[in-house]
Amino acid sequence: NAGVTQTPKFQVLKTGQSMTLQCAQDMNHEYMSWYRQDPGMGLRLIHYSVGAGITDQGEVPNGYNVSRSTTEDFPLRLLSAAPSQTSVYFCASSPADTDTQYFGPGTRLTVL
Amino acid sequence: QQQVKQSPQSLIVQKGGISIINCAYENTAFDYFPWYQQFPGKGPALLIAIRPDVSEKKEGRFTISFNKSAKQFSLHIMDSQPGDSATYFCAASYPYTPLVFGKGTRLSVIA
Repeated sequence: NAGVTQTPKFQVLKTGQSMTLQCAQDMNHEYMSWYRQDPGMGLRLIHYSVGAGITDQGEVPNGYNVSRSTTEDFPLRLLSAAPSQTSVYFCASSPADTDTQYFGPGTRLTVL
Repeated sequence: QQQVKQSPQSLIVQKGGISIINCAYENTAFDYFPWYQQFPGKGPALLIAIRPDVSEKKEGRFTISFNKSAKQFSLHIMDSQPGDSATYFCAASYPYTPLVFGKGTRLSVIA
């Protein structure tokens, strides 16, 4: 099992550009989440999904969109990047019958 | 509103010493309290977790102490080693909800 994979590992955008951060898991987990990590702020939840076709907002959803068409994939879309979205983004997944979350390696995003 | 408050922000401990990180929560509906460990450039990974039906859980050198009445829980790392140097996050959740994380503690264990 590859676990949770994220691409790209690094990305630099200009203000106003759009892009999609990819997240995939091969563990057949029902739950998937996106977090952003900023210095001194911990991990803040952006969006999450409890299964294919179901998504919900977390603590900091503004400026981000998600969809979950398959169990395996949970992409995060930045519609119009802003410097405030410079951060490290982590995707996580967990099975429905446990609370343990498995994190991907992260995507470091810089918006100029 | 910060639901899980973690302290200290950073901690320096001598090799062989005890590292203690504290967390306090507000929502009494929380029933799952994990600690995650994160090394630089990596994603967080579950270290140890506890539920409120026990007051302590130990796994090797790592122990969670839980005080339900005070709404506090803490991570103790015994015989701290340089390899324990990492960022530690406490978190909490209740059934069918995402984890809420503390802001993290950067631990440095020096020889």
